[in-house]
Amino acid sequence: DVKVTQSSRYLVKRTGEKVFLECVQDMDHENMFWYRQDPGLGLRLIYFSYDVKMKEKGDIPEGYSVSREKKERFSLILESASTNQTSMYLCASSLAGGPGQETQYFGPGTRLLVL
Amino acid sequence: RKEVEQDPGPFNVPEGATVAFNCTYSNSASQSFFWYRQDCRKEPKLLMSVYSSGNEDGRFTAQLNRASQYISLLIRDSKLSDSATYLCVVNIGNQGGKLIFGQGTELSVKP
Repeated sequence: DVKVTQSSRYLVKRTGEKVFLECVQDMDHENMFWYRQDPGLGLRLIYFSYDVKMKEKGDIPEGYSVSREKKERFSLILESASTNQTSMYLCASSLAGGPGQETQYFGPGTRLLVL
Repeated sequence: RKEVEQDPGPFNVPEGATVAFNCTYSNSASQSFFWYRQDCRKEPKLLMSVYSSGNEDGRFTAQLNRASQYISLLIRDSKLSDSATYLCVVNIGNQGGKLIFGQGTELSVKP
């Protein structure tokens, strides 16, 4: 059974703080993803990674960075948190490969509030 | 035009009803299609993959029409526990693993 865990379920930070969101998966998946989900906007891809130390920008990378030093761990960093980064952050992982292997498995999400 | 479009609903139906959700996608190179379910304040979870011939899993039937770039999900004999948001999900051709999620269709099944 795939398990994706995220370091916090709820987080409250102040404007300007550096924020780290951690994600760990236990299924040896090559691909990992960070999304944010906001009402009316759906899931939007922030960054993804195909392999250790590899990263690719998604649709909304501004204000974020990522780190993947180990295969099982993918971190999302908010360099200087702003109120418009208040959101639900979801991490996901999947196998590499072609059609049929793209199912993404999600962590429980982190609700971040930036004051 | 959005890459994946769904009717946001909400769909309010009585228990036992049959309900259908529709989804259109814009990228003709898409090869993989999914329906995910998301409960309130929870993460999305895979409901079913959608195969080109259509597929059925119990009360759920998914169909794909590549010519019209259209995917559907049919739920028969709705249960209260089916209340959730249903996300239509499509890959985008050769960008290995990257999926595009629709905004979701909200379903509320009432007693």
